[in-house]
Amino acid sequence: NAGVTQTPKFRVLKTGQSMTLLCAQDMNHEYMYWYRQDPGMGLRLIHYSVGEGTTAKGEVPDGYNVSRLKKQNFLLGLESAAPSQTSVYFCASSTIREWGYNEQFFGPGTRLTVL
Amino acid sequence: GQQLNQSPQSMFIQEGEDVSMNCTSSSIFNTWLWYKQDPGEGPVLLIALYKAGELTSNGRLTAQFGITRKDSFLNISASIPSDVGIYFCAGQPDKLIFGTGTLLAVQP
Repeated sequence: NAGVTQTPKFRVLKTGQSMTLLCAQDMNHEYMYWYRQDPGMGLRLIHYSVGEGTTAKGEVPDGYNVSRLKKQNFLLGLESAAPSQTSVYFCASSTIREWGYNEQFFGPGTRLTVL
Repeated sequence: GQQLNQSPQSMFIQEGEDVSMNCTSSSIFNTWLWYKQDPGEGPVLLIALYKAGELTSNGRLTAQFGITRKDSFLNISASIPSDVGIYFCAGQPDKLIFGTGTLLAVQP
């Protein structure tokens, strides 16, 4: 199993450009998440999905959109990139145990720089 | 947004030393997780805790779920150079909330 994979690994954008980050998981997990990681801030949840065709906002959703058309894929889109979106983006997936606890498994990250 | 208070922010130790770090929250959590992030990689789960008072080990790592359910501790015994990285706690009232991380540097 590859686990959670992310494409691309690195990207440089100019302000105003758009792009899509792809996350794929082969663990048949129901839940998927997008986080951003900034120095000294830890990981902050952008959007998440509890199943195919569903999405929900996390802590810092502004400027991002997501789609979950297939269970194994979760896309993160930036319609008009801003320098404040320079960050490392991590995708994660999890299943739900019977008590509702989730252990999240992370991808390797995408380092995005917006000039 | 809520983030967990994790301390210390960084630690610089000699190989062979023991390490302790902790995480506190103003909220009660049902789950505490500890992750390690190697440079340029995503976080990897080390230990998961599900019950107040629970003490769980994974090799040289030991973590505890605080009795008050508002804190958790991670200890690393006899540190080695490959322990270098950032350690994150994460707690779950509903969605997972991450601490700000503890940077560990181990000098051979």
